[in-house]
Amino acid sequence: DAGVIQSPRHEVTEMGQEVTLRCKPISGHNSLFWYRQTMMRGLELLIYFNNNVPIDDSGMPEDRFSAKMPNASFSTLKIQPSEPRDSAVYFCASSFRRLAGGPEQYFGPGTRLTVT
Amino acid sequence: AQKITQTQPGMFVQEKEAVTLDCTYDTSDQSYGLFWYKQPSSGEMIFLIYQGSYDEQNATEGRYSLNFQKARKSANLVISASQLGDSAMYFCAMREGGAQKLVFGQGTRLTINP
Repeated sequence: DAGVIQSPRHEVTEMGQEVTLRCKPISGHNSLFWYRQTMMRGLELLIYFNNNVPIDDSGMPEDRFSAKMPNASFSTLKIQPSEPRDSAVYFCASSFRRLAGGPEQYFGPGTRLTVT
Repeated sequence: AQKITQTQPGMFVQEKEAVTLDCTYDTSDQSYGLFWYKQPSSGEMIFLIYQGSYDEQNATEGRYSLNFQKARKSANLVISASQLGDSAMYFCAMREGGAQKLVFGQGTRLTINP
């Protein structure tokens, strides 16, 4: 079975440019999460969706960041304009929300973003 | 206050030995979940094991077990018979109450020596 798919795997861009990161969750999963990983701040949740609806975006750094989930199989995280401090690895994760149990989140391979 | 604390930035262990990675957590919720993830040098995050706060038995998954001590608020990961492929960063994470967001610790870098 395909896991979470993210594209691109690597992105190098100049400050001020728009960056769009893409994610395809595992089929049948109804929750999707965007995380950012940096050396200084570790892994932090940016935003998550249940059934395509944003539930908690309190981790989104500022208005330059936006995320959408137009359907159950696709989500984007956009940074406009990008800044050097946005350089990080961005992970997308998905899970199947249920009443009991974990649920564990399954992570994609990540997108390594470098803003020069 | 830190929700998840991993006090061991790095650990070095001989192959085939057992290893315990420490994790303490802070929550006032009665219902919560604890997770461990592995991040090898290739960068992906791999789910290892889950423990619910109401689970009476410690979770086990193959060579991984979770030593859950609720009163001490600790959820240590035990890896039995370590292998070279176990060398990686290990992250402890917590989900509180009905929320789905995971809060991660800073991680422990485990190195298995041959």
